[in-house]
Amino acid sequence: DAGVIQSPRHEVTEMGQEVTLRCKPISGHDYLFWYRQTMMRGLELLIYFNNNVPIDDSGMPEDRFSAKMPNASFSTLKIQPSEPRDSAVYFCASSLRWGGRTDTQYFGPGTRLTVL
Amino acid sequence: AQSVTQLDSQVPVFEEAPVELRCNYSSSVSVYLFWYVQYPNQGLQLLLKYLSGSTLVKGINGFEAEFNKSQTSFHLRKPSVHISDTAEYFCAVSDILTGGGNKLTFGTGTQLKVEL
Repeated sequence: DAGVIQSPRHEVTEMGQEVTLRCKPISGHDYLFWYRQTMMRGLELLIYFNNNVPIDDSGMPEDRFSAKMPNASFSTLKIQPSEPRDSAVYFCASSLRWGGRTDTQYFGPGTRLTVL
Repeated sequence: AQSVTQLDSQVPVFEEAPVELRCNYSSSVSVYLFWYVQYPNQGLQLLLKYLSGSTLVKGINGFEAEFNKSQTSFHLRKPSVHISDTAEYFCAVSDILTGGGNKLTFGTGTQLKVEL
């Protein structure tokens, strides 16, 4: 399996621009997670989906952030408008759950976002 | 809400020496516990996990961890480290009662630097 795929790997944009990050989970996984990693705040869960439905978005910092999962093999995280404080590495992860317990979350390589 | 404390932000150690990376979590309710490793410019990779059963968990690359419920700890150990173990290590916890154990809370990470 190719693992979790994220694109782009690096994104540099100017303040005020719209940014879209993309994720393809591992085939067959029914959970998808978006995380943000910064020096100041470490790794934070932003939102997660189960069977394409958002389950918990309490970590989404503000209305400028939105995430969608139109089908089982694709998710986007959009920031509009972007601000310099959004600069971070954004990770996508997916997992499979069975037997009443959670399975390992497999992480993608991340997208390094720089907002100037 | 869950919290995870990794007391040591950096741990320098000589090659072939033993190492212990400390992790404490806040909640006394049923939890799942994980250790992930992050190599430079890469995503997170699971080292090991505790879901239930034996409190001593063995993972990849010769690492092991021991779950201690009374001390709410899950320290990571390796008897003899290698240069290739240089990386950042994250402890994570999920509360079984919240979101079915899918919502991971990460510690701030410990940078392990193995020196010759």
